[in-house]
Amino acid sequence: GAVVSQHPSWVICKSGTSVKIECRSLDFQATTMFWYRQFPKQSLMLMATSNEGSKATYEQGVEKDKFLINHASLTLSTLTVTSAHPEDSSFYICSARREGAETQYFGPGTRLLVL
Amino acid sequence: GENVEQHPSTLSVQEGDSAVIKCTYSDSASNYFPWYKQELGKRPQLIIDIRSNVGEKKDQRIAVTLNKTAKHFSLHITETQPEDSAVYFCAASYTGNQFYFGTGTSLTVIP
Repeated sequence: GAVVSQHPSWVICKSGTSVKIECRSLDFQATTMFWYRQFPKQSLMLMATSNEGSKATYEQGVEKDKFLINHASLTLSTLTVTSAHPEDSSFYICSARREGAETQYFGPGTRLLVL
Repeated sequence: GENVEQHPSTLSVQEGDSAVIKCTYSDSASNYFPWYKQELGKRPQLIIDIRSNVGEKKDQRIAVTLNKTAKHFSLHITETQPEDSAVYFCAASYTGNQFYFGTGTSLTVIP
C-alpha cells in the first residue's frame, strides 16, 4: 500500500502558458499532501502543504498566485504553475500522508521544461 | 524555521565497507527523522525513520542513531553493495508535518 502517482511525468510548454500537475494517492486517503521542487543535484525544497478542503500553506518565498494548489478530495491534489517561465523549469514532486501518520510517500515527480 | 544540515555531500566507499552520513537540525521541537534514498530521476523512497523517543533503530544493514541533546542523527549502512549507490536525504519534522530536508549525500559504492 501507500502508492502515490503523478501526472504528467513530463511536460514541455511555451513561456506564458499554465501547466497543471496532478498528485493522487492510489490506495489510501491522504489528508495532507506536500509539494516540493527539486533542482538538479539539489535537495527537495518544500513549496507548500495542502490539506483537504482548506487553503494550502505556502513556504516563505513561494508565490501562491504563481503556484496554485487545490486539494479537492482525499486522494487528489493539483499544482498549477501559472504563466510559466523558463525559470520555473524544474522537477516537481508531491508527497502524501495519511491522517495521524508521520511518513510521507512520494510521487514519481513531474519534469517541467518551459521554453 | 527548521534548518537541517547534512554531511558529507559526496561519499565513496569500497563494496563491503560501511558508510556513515550525518545530519544536524536546529529546532528542538522536531521529533521525527526519516531517511530517504533517491536514485537518479526517481522518487525518494523511505529507507528508515526514527522518532525522538528512541536513540537507535536498525533494519538489517541500515541503522539510524539520534542524539537529541546534540540535535544530530546519523545513517549507518554496513556491508555496502553497488545497489546502495544513490543520493540519500535526511529530514526533520514535528509530528510529520512539513519535512525539512538536508542537502543530500551522493553515495557511490565501488565494486
